Amino acid sequence: NAGVTQTPKFQVLKTGQSMTLQCAQDMNHEYMSWYRQDPGMGLRLIHYSVGAGITDQGEVPNGYNVSRSTTEDFPLRLLSAAPSQTSVYFCASSSRQGGSPLHFGNGTRLTVT
Amino acid sequence: LAKTTQPISMDSYEGQEVNITCSHNNIATNDYITWYQQFPSQGPRFIIQGYKTKVTNEVASLFIPADRKSSTLSLPRVSLSDTAVYYCLVGISATGGSYIPTFGRGTSLIVHP
Repeated sequence: NAGVTQTPKFQVLKTGQSMTLQCAQDMNHEYMSWYRQDPGMGLRLIHYSVGAGITDQGEVPNGYNVSRSTTEDFPLRLLSAAPSQTSVYFCASSSRQGGSPLHFGNGTRLTVT
Repeated sequence: LAKTTQPISMDSYEGQEVNITCSHNNIATNDYITWYQQFPSQGPRFIIQGYKTKVTNEVASLFIPADRKSSTLSLPRVSLSDTAVYYCLVGISATGGSYIPTFGRGTSLIVHP
């Protein structure tokens, strides 16, 4: 019963470094998404995917790239980290967009110095 | 993009009923309203979902008026373990019809003994 698995749980980067946040789900969900959570801002959608090979931008996509080569995996890439990207990142999936509840991972806490 | 609006915080006591209202003026015709609960250091967890009128499950009720521009999450007889942040989620259609699920900023509920 893994659900949505995110790795790593914690990460510290220096400004300008790159990294990939991993997200995997074992529920055969078509819809996957990435959110960031900052104090007082709630959860904001970064990118989402409605199926393998299809991605689209959310509310705050700048500075992030995604790809969806398989149904199970939806990695989030930071090409050149900035202090403004210090946040907690959550991956979520659902069986379809709109009408199905989202299943969330436990998050990755990223600090950019 | 239209946003959802919730009270920032609420206080209650054990055994009381708690009602949290979310405003979502630009909800799409075919979109559902979903509420999530989040504890510290965890991802949000699904509580309840509805489209119109009233929905009830084992943990909460959801009231949605006919115009669907708001919704109210009702937690009966809260306990200390209900202390958490509660989010309402609706999908707001962006220009071109993309589905961008938008969370409110969340309501921090504190239940006192």
